[in-house]
Amino acid sequence: AQSVAQPEDQVNVAEGNPLTVKCTYSVSGNPYLFWYVQYPNRGLQFLLKYITGDNLVKGSYGFEAEFNKSQTSFHLKKPSALVSDSALYFCAVRETGANNLFFGTGTRLTVIP
Amino acid sequence: DAGVIQSPRHEVTEMGQEVTLRCKPISGHNSLFWYRQTMMRGLELLIYFNNNVPIDDSGMPEDRFSAKMPNASFSTLKIQPSEPRDSAVYFCASTPLTRDYSGANVLTFGAGSRLTVL
Repeated sequence: AQSVAQPEDQVNVAEGNPLTVKCTYSVSGNPYLFWYVQYPNRGLQFLLKYITGDNLVKGSYGFEAEFNKSQTSFHLKKPSALVSDSALYFCAVRETGANNLFFGTGTRLTVIP
Repeated sequence: DAGVIQSPRHEVTEMGQEVTLRCKPISGHNSLFWYRQTMMRGLELLIYFNNNVPIDDSGMPEDRFSAKMPNASFSTLKIQPSEPRDSAVYFCASTPLTRDYSGANVLTFGAGSRLTVL
């Protein structure tokens, strides 16, 4: 069975500081990992994904994520946070050969001016 | 491309009434998903379709919920009768179904339908 854990409900960071939003996963076989962002009253928007290859994945709006197989983690990072990055972030996993995407509970990121 | 289109955006109804939520996937996307989002339970997969055929409906809460996809461009999620605990935001998402079922495809979400059952 596949599962995703986002251990932090809330992350606060000062504008201009680096940010990290944590995600760990459990899946049979090789995982496909995704990050989505949700702004207020909007649907989820795709940020980036890891399929195979380079463990460091770069995505939209300057975000990146590092796949760590030994730690089964896929943390989202950004070198310098913007106030406009404040939103709800979801990590998601899909097993190879499956079609449905399983989401974590979400982490609310607040960037303080 | 207009993206995934959901209607209505907001629905307020009374307990016991029938609710129908609608979704138009992106043209060419042949896999469609219904999710429900609540504060308590986060984002839950209710059901998904491949090529208009329901594949997994294990997330549908109970018999009061039903979903159909009569053609490639339209799906409905129906709740009858509705209850206050059904209040949530319901999202529809679509994606192309890759030939090799590799799982690398990205879901595109609609803006959601916010349901309030009084």
